[in-house]
Amino acid sequence: GAGVSQSPSNKVTEKGKDVELRCDPISGHTALYWYRQRLGQGLEFLIYFQGNSAPDKSGLPSDRFSAERTGESVSTLTIQRTQQEDSAVYLCASSLWDPPEKLFFGSGTQLSVL
Amino acid sequence: TQLLEQSPQFLSIQEGENLTVYCNSSSVFSSLQWYRQEPGEGPVLLVTVVTGGEVKKLKRLTFQFGDARKDSSLHITAAQPGDTGLYLCAGLASGTYKYIFGTGTRLKVLA
Repeated sequence: GAGVSQSPSNKVTEKGKDVELRCDPISGHTALYWYRQRLGQGLEFLIYFQGNSAPDKSGLPSDRFSAERTGESVSTLTIQRTQQEDSAVYLCASSLWDPPEKLFFGSGTQLSVL
Repeated sequence: TQLLEQSPQFLSIQEGENLTVYCNSSSVFSSLQWYRQEPGEGPVLLVTVVTGGEVKKLKRLTFQFGDARKDSSLHITAAQPGDTGLYLCAGLASGTYKYIFGTGTRLKVLA
């Protein structure tokens, strides 16, 4: 597709379970960002990738959160032992590099932890 | 930690009115962007401002970057119901490629 694709669009899980969120960026975009958005609020930075490397992981809330990117393409955000406070929309964005001037966002994954 | 505070948090106005949204920080940013987000969608870029004091116009929207590159404003003239949405500013943190997003302003324009 032409845009950033995220899957699943909705995920309901039980507290304590692990979840994987997937992001397919626009082809050729070397920069990839993950953000978290709580209901009606702004975006909270989690991590960004330059190619397959993550120069800045400072936004990951705890060691339960991890992310990887392979082939300068697909990225996966993993949340282990989910907690209710993890409930939010997780947004992925991609951009051309040097510098990343415009972020193209996916529609997000709505995560609900019961 | 670099933070971007937006004000007001909520704004409900009648069609045809003017409004201004502010984005403030104590930090300097390399550039600043404004996005609009509609329910169930990701944010969409409206404009990027790079130079201190820069003013950009996009139809009825006017964007300004502060002289010190710490703040920005978005002014909408003669608001229309189609302007309804969540407006977000985003600053490019100096020395990195990390975009810091503001707290958001939810605008509702009533017909």
